[in-house]
Amino acid sequence: DAKTTQPPSMDCAEGRAANLPCNHSTISGNEYVYWYRQIHSQGPQYIIHGLKNNETNEMASLIITEDRKSSTLILPHATLRDTAVYYCIVRVASQAGTALIFGKGTTLSVSS
Amino acid sequence: GAVVSQHPSRVICKSGTSVKIECRSLDFQATTMFWYRQFPKQSLMLMATSNEGSKATYEQGVEKDKFLINHASLTLSTLTVTSAHPEDSSFYICSARDATGYSYEQYFGPGTRLTVT
Repeated sequence: DAKTTQPPSMDCAEGRAANLPCNHSTISGNEYVYWYRQIHSQGPQYIIHGLKNNETNEMASLIITEDRKSSTLILPHATLRDTAVYYCIVRVASQAGTALIFGKGTTLSVSS
Repeated sequence: GAVVSQHPSRVICKSGTSVKIECRSLDFQATTMFWYRQFPKQSLMLMATSNEGSKATYEQGVEKDKFLINHASLTLSTLTVTSAHPEDSSFYICSARDATGYSYEQYFGPGTRLTVT
Protein backbone atom coordinates (compact mmCIF):
# COMPACT_ATOMS: atom_id res chain seq x y z
CA ASP A 1 0.00 0.00 0.00
CA ALA A 2 1.15 3.53 -0.76
CA LYS A 3 2.38 5.59 2.17
CA THR A 4 0.42 8.63 3.27
CA THR A 5 1.54 11.81 5.01
CA GLN A 6 -0.79 13.90 7.16
CA PRO A 7 -0.19 16.86 9.46
CA PRO A 8 -0.18 15.72 13.08
CA SER A 9 -2.77 18.24 14.23
CA MET A 10 -5.18 20.92 13.05
CA ASP A 11 -7.58 23.31 14.69
CA CYS A 12 -10.94 24.48 13.41
CA ALA A 13 -13.61 26.82 14.71
CA GLU A 14 -17.07 25.38 15.15
CA GLY A 15 -19.26 26.04 12.12
CA ARG A 16 -16.34 26.57 9.79
CA ALA A 17 -15.13 24.13 7.16
CA ALA A 18 -12.36 21.76 8.19
CA ASN A 19 -9.98 20.89 5.38
CA LEU A 20 -7.73 17.95 6.17
CA PRO A 21 -4.91 17.29 3.69
CA CYS A 22 -3.25 14.01 2.83
CA ASN A 23 -0.24 13.40 0.61
CA HIS A 24 0.06 10.08 -1.19
CA SER A 25 2.61 10.80 -3.90
CA THR A 26 3.39 7.11 -4.53
CA ILE A 27 -0.22 6.05 -5.03
CA SER A 28 -0.79 3.47 -7.76
CA GLY A 29 -3.44 3.70 -10.43
CA ASN A 30 -5.62 1.07 -8.83
CA GLU A 31 -5.40 2.34 -5.26
CA TYR A 32 -8.32 4.07 -3.60
CA VAL A 33 -8.14 6.79 -0.97
CA TYR A 34 -10.08 6.04 2.20
CA TRP A 35 -10.79 8.25 5.18
CA TYR A 36 -11.67 7.01 8.65
CA ARG A 37 -11.91 8.86 11.91
CA GLN A 38 -11.61 7.81 15.53
CA ILE A 39 -13.30 9.71 18.27
CA HIS A 40 -11.59 9.34 21.62
CA SER A 41 -11.98 5.85 23.15
CA GLN A 42 -14.14 4.59 20.29
CA GLY A 43 -13.56 2.36 17.28
CA PRO A 44 -12.75 3.96 13.92
CA GLN A 45 -15.62 5.12 11.73
CA TYR A 46 -15.67 5.05 7.94
CA ILE A 47 -16.14 8.47 6.36
CA ILE A 48 -15.64 8.29 2.61
CA HIS A 49 -13.48 6.86 -0.14
CA GLY A 50 -12.65 7.65 -3.76
CA LEU A 51 -10.49 6.69 -6.72
CA LYS A 52 -10.05 9.82 -8.82
CA ASN A 53 -13.31 11.71 -8.92
CA ASN A 54 -14.42 13.98 -6.13
CA GLU A 55 -16.88 12.32 -3.79
CA THR A 56 -19.49 13.65 -1.39
CA ASN A 57 -21.71 12.01 1.17
CA GLU A 58 -23.68 13.10 4.19
CA MET A 59 -20.54 13.32 6.31
CA ALA A 60 -17.91 14.90 4.12
CA SER A 61 -16.46 15.67 0.71
CA LEU A 62 -13.29 14.17 -0.72
CA ILE A 63 -11.28 16.18 -3.21
CA ILE A 64 -8.55 14.26 -5.06
CA THR A 65 -6.05 16.17 -7.19
CA GLU A 66 -5.87 15.37 -10.88
CA ASP A 67 -2.48 13.67 -10.49
CA ARG A 68 -3.90 11.79 -7.47
CA LYS A 69 -0.83 12.55 -5.40
CA SER A 70 -2.83 14.31 -2.71
CA SER A 71 -6.35 14.67 -1.42
CA THR A 72 -8.36 16.79 0.98
CA LEU A 73 -11.16 15.72 3.26
CA ILE A 74 -13.64 18.52 3.82
CA LEU A 75 -16.04 18.69 6.73
CA PRO A 76 -18.24 21.57 5.55
CA HIS A 77 -19.55 22.75 8.92
CA ALA A 78 -17.44 21.33 11.69
CA THR A 79 -19.03 20.71 15.08
CA LEU A 80 -17.52 19.87 18.45
CA ARG A 81 -18.45 16.24 17.81
CA ASP A 82 -16.09 16.20 14.83
CA THR A 83 -13.11 16.42 17.18
CA ALA A 84 -11.26 13.19 16.42
CA VAL A 85 -8.20 11.63 14.81
CA TYR A 86 -8.63 11.42 11.04
CA TYR A 87 -6.83 8.73 9.09
CA CYS A 88 -6.10 8.78 5.37
CA ILE A 89 -5.42 5.30 3.96
CA VAL A 90 -4.71 4.18 0.42
CA ARG A 91 -5.24 0.64 -0.74
CA VAL A 92 -6.22 -1.49 -3.68
CA ALA A 93 -9.93 -2.27 -3.84
CA SER A 94 -9.23 -5.97 -4.29
CA GLN A 95 -7.64 -5.91 -0.86
CA ALA A 96 -10.98 -5.19 0.76
CA GLY A 97 -10.64 -8.49 2.56
CA THR A 98 -7.37 -7.48 4.16
CA ALA A 99 -6.86 -5.32 7.20
CA LEU A 100 -6.65 -1.56 7.11
CA ILE A 101 -3.26 -0.27 8.12
CA PHE A 102 -3.41 2.97 10.08
CA GLY A 103 -0.78 5.69 10.13
CA LYS A 104 -0.60 8.41 12.74
CA GLY A 105 -3.44 10.48 11.33
CA THR A 106 -4.39 14.08 11.99
CA THR A 107 -5.86 15.13 15.30
CA LEU A 108 -8.58 17.65 14.52
CA SER A 109 -9.66 19.87 17.39
CA VAL A 110 -12.90 21.79 16.88
CA SER A 111 -13.49 24.58 19.32
CA SER A 112 -16.37 26.96 19.97
CA GLY B 1 -25.64 0.12 8.67
CA ALA B 2 -23.55 -2.84 9.69
CA VAL B 3 -22.86 -3.10 13.41
CA VAL B 4 -19.99 -4.75 15.22
CA SER B 5 -20.17 -5.18 18.97
CA GLN B 6 -17.51 -6.00 21.53
CA HIS B 7 -17.86 -7.40 25.00
CA PRO B 8 -16.86 -6.38 27.53
CA SER B 9 -16.35 -2.68 26.89
CA ARG B 10 -14.06 -2.41 29.86
CA VAL B 11 -12.29 -5.03 31.98
CA ILE B 12 -9.86 -4.96 34.87
CA CYS B 13 -7.98 -8.11 35.73
CA LYS B 14 -5.11 -9.17 37.92
CA SER B 15 -1.69 -10.01 36.57
CA GLY B 16 -1.42 -13.66 35.59
CA THR B 17 -5.08 -14.19 34.79
CA SER B 18 -6.67 -14.62 31.36
CA VAL B 19 -9.25 -12.39 29.76
CA LYS B 20 -11.56 -13.15 26.84
CA ILE B 21 -12.88 -10.42 24.56
CA GLU B 22 -15.75 -11.11 22.17
CA CYS B 23 -16.33 -9.48 18.80
CA ARG B 24 -19.69 -9.99 17.09
CA SER B 25 -21.09 -8.89 13.76
CA LEU B 26 -24.72 -8.22 14.60
CA ASP B 27 -26.42 -7.94 11.22
CA PHE B 28 -24.03 -9.47 8.73
CA GLN B 29 -21.76 -12.45 8.31
CA ALA B 30 -18.03 -11.98 8.51
CA THR B 31 -15.65 -14.63 7.26
CA THR B 32 -12.77 -12.36 8.21
CA MET B 33 -12.30 -10.28 11.34
CA PHE B 34 -9.31 -8.27 12.41
CA TRP B 35 -7.91 -7.51 15.84
CA TYR B 36 -6.05 -4.32 16.66
CA ARG B 37 -4.63 -2.84 19.82
CA GLN B 38 -3.98 0.76 20.59
CA PHE B 39 -1.76 2.20 23.29
CA PRO B 40 -2.40 5.73 24.62
CA LYS B 41 -1.73 8.48 22.10
CA GLN B 42 -0.72 5.94 19.45
CA SER B 43 -2.37 4.65 16.31
CA LEU B 44 -4.07 1.30 15.86
CA MET B 45 -1.68 -1.61 15.43
CA LEU B 46 -2.91 -4.71 13.62
CA MET B 47 -2.42 -7.81 15.76
CA ALA B 48 -3.98 -10.59 13.73
CA THR B 49 -6.42 -11.60 11.04
CA SER B 50 -9.09 -14.04 12.12
CA ASN B 51 -10.65 -16.34 9.53
CA GLU B 52 -13.77 -18.36 10.23
CA GLY B 53 -12.97 -22.02 10.60
CA SER B 54 -9.21 -21.69 10.31
CA LYS B 55 -6.20 -20.52 12.26
CA ALA B 56 -5.59 -16.84 12.72
CA THR B 57 -2.72 -15.08 11.01
CA TYR B 58 -0.61 -13.05 13.41
CA GLU B 59 1.46 -9.99 12.65
CA GLN B 60 5.16 -10.05 13.28
CA GLY B 61 5.97 -9.58 16.93
CA VAL B 62 2.56 -10.69 18.22
CA GLU B 63 2.75 -13.83 20.35
CA LYS B 64 0.16 -16.28 19.11
CA ASP B 65 0.33 -18.33 22.31
CA LYS B 66 -0.39 -15.26 24.39
CA PHE B 67 -3.16 -13.81 22.25
CA LEU B 68 -5.44 -16.71 21.37
CA ILE B 69 -7.93 -16.04 18.62
CA ASN B 70 -10.93 -18.20 17.81
CA HIS B 71 -13.34 -17.52 14.96
CA ALA B 72 -15.81 -20.34 15.38
CA SER B 73 -18.74 -18.84 13.52
CA LEU B 74 -19.49 -16.25 10.87
CA THR B 75 -20.58 -13.76 13.49
CA LEU B 76 -18.20 -14.29 16.40
CA SER B 77 -14.47 -14.00 16.97
CA THR B 78 -12.84 -14.07 20.38
CA LEU B 79 -9.47 -12.81 21.59
CA THR B 80 -8.12 -14.33 24.78
CA VAL B 81 -5.22 -12.60 26.48
CA THR B 82 -3.52 -15.35 28.46
CA SER B 83 -1.44 -14.74 31.57
CA ALA B 84 -2.02 -11.03 31.26
CA HIS B 85 0.59 -8.58 32.52
CA PRO B 86 0.43 -4.82 33.05
CA GLU B 87 2.12 -4.22 29.69
CA ASP B 88 -0.88 -5.87 28.01
CA SER B 89 -3.08 -3.04 29.24
CA SER B 90 -4.41 -1.45 26.08
CA PHE B 91 -7.45 -0.65 23.98
CA TYR B 92 -8.39 -3.68 21.87
CA ILE B 93 -10.51 -3.12 18.77
CA CYS B 94 -11.94 -5.60 16.30
CA SER B 95 -13.24 -5.03 12.81
CA ALA B 96 -15.14 -7.13 10.32
CA ARG B 97 -15.90 -7.12 6.64
CA ASP B 98 -19.27 -8.14 5.27
CA ALA B 99 -18.70 -11.47 3.53
CA THR B 100 -21.91 -11.40 1.55
CA GLY B 101 -21.10 -8.47 -0.66
CA TYR B 102 -18.18 -6.68 -2.20
CA SER B 103 -18.07 -3.87 0.32
CA TYR B 104 -15.17 -1.50 0.58
CA GLU B 105 -15.94 -0.80 4.18
CA GLN B 106 -14.64 -2.42 7.29
CA TYR B 107 -16.87 -2.05 10.30
CA PHE B 108 -15.22 -1.50 13.63
CA GLY B 109 -16.32 -2.44 17.09
CA PRO B 110 -16.40 0.11 19.90
CA GLY B 111 -13.30 -1.32 21.53
CA THR B 112 -12.45 -3.00 24.83
CA ARG B 113 -10.35 -1.24 27.44
CA LEU B 114 -8.17 -3.78 29.25
CA THR B 115 -6.40 -2.82 32.44
CA VAL B 116 -4.10 -5.37 34.08
CA THR B 117 -3.19 -4.62 37.69
